[in-house]
Amino acid sequence: ENVLTQSPATLSLSPGETATLSCRASQTVSSYLGWYQQKPGQAPRLLIYDASNRATGIPARFSGSGSGTDFTLTISSLEPEDFAVYYCQQRNNWPPTFGQGTKVEIK
Amino acid sequence: QVQLQESGPGLVKSSETLSLTCTVSGDSISNYYWSWIRQPPGKGLEWIGYMYYSGTTNYNPSLKSRVTISVDTSRNQFSLKLSSVTAADTAVYYCARCARGYSYGPWDYWGQGTLVTVSS
Repeated sequence: ENVLTQSPATLSLSPGETATLSCRASQTVSSYLGWYQQKPGQAPRLLIYDASNRATGIPARFSGSGSGTDFTLTISSLEPEDFAVYYCQQRNNWPPTFGQGTKVEIK
Repeated sequence: QVQLQESGPGLVKSSETLSLTCTVSGDSISNYYWSWIRQPPGKGLEWIGYMYYSGTTNYNPSLKSRVTISVDTSRNQFSLKLSSVTAADTAVYYCARCARGYSYGPWDYWGQGTLVTVSS
């Protein structure tokens, strides 16, 4: 299966700073990669699909980029509600897989 | 507003079968792919399988021998059965809808999740 490796495991930042999260795939996923946000006790929330498309209702401070095996989620000017765990997910290779997550915490 | 709600026992004995149902409201179950995804406590997400409203299913190879997903279109529900459970199956189980036109993600609507604990 296609293993997604996210880095860093934890990102400590202050509100207003920019978060840059990485997801690297063991095999190419073309542009078929998504990003999810998960807060404690909640279900994941779709942020980005197909590498760079924001899901409905997602603020413009969230942006995705990349193709092939290397992808980035950028959160510009962190808001207090953005501190959460973020997962990437690929749908190019069978079975669909998720990364292990990056926790964005308040510094 | 589309809503998904998981229901089923929160405690299952080891070697028995886990059974959960997802009730969909606010939209028809037709014309979408619906998945089950789980998350062991403190860990990441694992896709279990999907079904299409027509009854087509596909499962994660790691669980395929133990998983059955079925649909009841008349009740706008779909269900998960996982047999021969062990402690490793203890997790929060989510049902989720795949965005229109997609099948293996992205999932745009999720249930709140239900914790299932496997006891010995």
